[in-house]
Formats: sequence, structure tokens, C-alpha cells
Amino acid sequence: EAGVTQFPSHSVIEKGQTVTLRCDPISGHDNLYWYRRVMGKEIKFLLHFVKESKQDESGMPNNRFLAERTGGTYSTLKVQPAELEDSGVYFCASSQNRNPLYGYTFGSGTRLTVV
Amino acid sequence: DQQVKQNSPSLSVQEGRISILNCDYTNSMFDYFLWYKKYPAEGPTFLISISSIKDKNEDGRFTVFLNKSAKHLSLHIVPSQPGDSAVYFCAVNAGNMLTFGGGTRLMVKP
Repeated sequence: EAGVTQFPSHSVIEKGQTVTLRCDPISGHDNLYWYRRVMGKEIKFLLHFVKESKQDESGMPNNRFLAERTGGTYSTLKVQPAELEDSGVYFCASSQNRNPLYGYTFGSGTRLTVV
Repeated sequence: DQQVKQNSPSLSVQEGRISILNCDYTNSMFDYFLWYKKYPAEGPTFLISISSIKDKNEDGRFTVFLNKSAKHLSLHIVPSQPGDSAVYFCAVNAGNMLTFGGGTRLMVKP
């Protein structure tokens, strides 16, 4: 089966611009998550979709970040306007199983650099 | 106020020997613990997990130990292989959200 696909793999944008990250989860996975790793620190939760509904968005840093999952398939994460501190690696993950001992499958991430 | 801490940023081990990676957590109510491995330019890959009702879980060369009283878990890799060189993250799953430690870079020397 195809894994979790993220696009683009790298993005360099100027402060104040808009960037949209895309995630295609494993087909049939209802659960989709966004995480990010800033400055080589720990990986932090951003939000969780179940199908097209936001289950938990407690990790979203501020209202410059908007995530959508129309139709319950792929998801986008838009940052508008981007700030320098938004630089980092954004990971998407998906799972079908809600068993907390069953790890998610992560994508390779999008490395975002804001200059 | 990190809830999950990995105090060793790096660890170097000789091939064939045991690697022990450590992780501490603050909340005694956590029930589910996981280890992930991450290679450069890749996403984290799930490795092994354990629930709080157990104190040990083994999968091939990988064993996770949980000490609830000390709020400590560890990952043992034996024997270590050069291909195990990666960054290892421990994580707790609370409310279907993973909280990760900062990671430990393991280098296994041939």
C-alpha cells in the first residue's frame, strides 16, 4: 500500500507570504494528524481529523494556521501570513486503528523555511 | 514544562553491543507509551509500544521496559546493528494525541 505522501518536500518562502502544505493519507485511514518539529526540538501535535471533522485542534499555534480536510481524503495546512518562527518540518500522519498502542504512519514531512 | 523528556541527546554504541535509550515522563496518569525511529529526511517510524498494565514488551531485538513508580521507560536494542543508527523518540499517547520527547541520536559503530 502507498504510504502517507506530503507535498512539497521543501518550501522556502518570504515572511508574510502564504504557503499551503498537502498531505495524502493512506487510503481508507479515517484519522489524519498534523505535527511539526521546530528547530530540531521535540515533535509537537497540531491537530487531528476524523474523516472531514476536526477532532482536536488544540495544538494549532495561532489563527495564521488553517487546516482543512474536505471530503475526508487529503488534507491541507495553510500558513498565512508566514512568520520566521513557523520554520520547521511539518509531518502528517494517518491511522485507521484508534488503538493507542498502534502507532500512526508518518509521511516524510515538508521542510518549511521562512526567510 | 516538557511532559516527556529524553535527557541524552546522543548515544554511541559498538556494533553487537546493547543500546539503552531512556525516557522520563511527568504524568503518572499516562497509560500508553511508544517508541519511534527516525532516519534523516524521513518521517518517524513506529517501533514498539507498551501499556501501563505491563512492565515489559519485546519484539525481536527491541524490548521496552516501563517503570511506573519511577515514571521511566527505556528501549533496549540487542544486538545493535549499524542500520539502527537513527534518532529515537519516545512518546506518550494521551487522548489520541502523541506527546514526544526531544529524541536521542543513536550511532552504532561497525
